Amino acid sequence: LAKTTQPISMDSYEGQEVNITCSHNNIATNDYITWYQQFPSQGPRFIIQGYKTKVTNEVASLFIPADRKSSTLSLPRVSLSDTAVYYCLVGGYNNNDMRFGAGTRLTVKP
Amino acid sequence: NAGVTQTPKFQVLKTGQSMTLQCAQDMNHNSMYWYRQDPGMGLRLIYYSASEGTTDKGEVPNGYNVSRLNKREFSLRLESAAPSQTSVYFCASLGLAGGLDTQYFGPGTRLTVL
Repeated sequence: LAKTTQPISMDSYEGQEVNITCSHNNIATNDYITWYQQFPSQGPRFIIQGYKTKVTNEVASLFIPADRKSSTLSLPRVSLSDTAVYYCLVGGYNNNDMRFGAGTRLTVKP
Repeated sequence: NAGVTQTPKFQVLKTGQSMTLQCAQDMNHNSMYWYRQDPGMGLRLIYYSASEGTTDKGEVPNGYNVSRLNKREFSLRLESAAPSQTSVYFCASLGLAGGLDTQYFGPGTRLTVL
């Protein structure tokens, strides 16, 4: 089973770019990498998903190196409202090996 | 669309009591999931259902049962609640967003077992 490792917490300031790296050394060939965001008292919300190279959407970018043993979520110009816990998931939805790690608690300061 | 709804939002039980957590989705999704989240921890999968009529165990199924009543509803039952089951429970369903499989989560049920 693919296990993920992320920093427990990170601090940033408004307007900065934030990069959160996730390690997943035993990722399988058919595994995707997905990031979720969770605010207090809410369920997680999908941010971005990728398989390799770079993926970008309206809120974030996801960088995945060729060996796929890690991935980096990049949040451009964060604001106070980006304060949340960010989870990296590795796996496929067709079975029960989708595992949420402890997540990274991002605090954005003014 | 209401998305994924869960009832109740809060519940307090005594040890040994039973209860059922309800989950429904109106997005016509096939797969549904139940997770628990303990303080400072990520979500752990309890059970999932890949389609109506099928259920499978996740990472932490002991002490729980599930029913996939129909395509919309997926319930989680605690037959004899224990303090170790104090947690926040999230239901999710799996659908496509921008061509990608993504889970849509409900607002959660905060359960306390005394």
